[in-house]
Amino acid sequence: NAGVTQTPKFQVLKTGQSMTLQCAQDMNHEYMSWYRQDPGMGLRLIHYSVGAGITDQGEVPNGYNVSRSTTEDFPLRLLSAAPSQTSVYFCASSYSISDRENEETQYFGPGTRLLVL
Amino acid sequence: EDKVVQSPLSLVVHEGDTVTLNCSYEVTNFRSLLWYKQEKKAPTFLFMLTSSGIEKKSGRLSSILDKKELFSILNITATQTGDSAVYLCAAIQGGSNYKLTFGKGTLLTVNP
Repeated sequence: NAGVTQTPKFQVLKTGQSMTLQCAQDMNHEYMSWYRQDPGMGLRLIHYSVGAGITDQGEVPNGYNVSRSTTEDFPLRLLSAAPSQTSVYFCASSYSISDRENEETQYFGPGTRLLVL
Repeated sequence: EDKVVQSPLSLVVHEGDTVTLNCSYEVTNFRSLLWYKQEKKAPTFLFMLTSSGIEKKSGRLSSILDKKELFSILNITATQTGDSAVYLCAAIQGGSNYKLTFGKGTLLTVNP
């Protein structure tokens, strides 16, 4: 049971390049989400998904696309990278609705540190 | 607009002190509140609070939720240098719009 995995761990991009941040979980969680974390800003929700084929925008969706074709994978795509997207990106997953409290706990991946020059 | 506000934003204490971290929330269809500890990596889970007035406890850490006043507190007694971290709270919204909203965190520094 690997939990939530993210690749790559670190990436440097030039302005205008595109890339995909990968996220996978093997816990059969319905809910998956992407956050970015910047100094002094806490965790801000980019996009989230409550199940395969269902995605929705969070607080800061501009410049990012997501899709959820399987329960396990939730990739985040940067279409045309900008220096403002320099950040640490976390993917997280959980059961979405459960009678058992701890099943709604969000499990975080190790993060991807992205630098856009 | 859904929001979660944590206070203070930063706090410096000495080992052995007791600290109280605050988290207030205004979100639609509130379901639960989560507390996390974040050191130099991904956040790690501390507590989930769903019911008002019931204290959750783990060692020197405890937390309680007040759903009438829309806030939660995280207490740490007899602080140690290993408690130095950013503490995050997040509100879970249920129903058809299930999602989490995080506060900006409280940076706790415990000096020896």
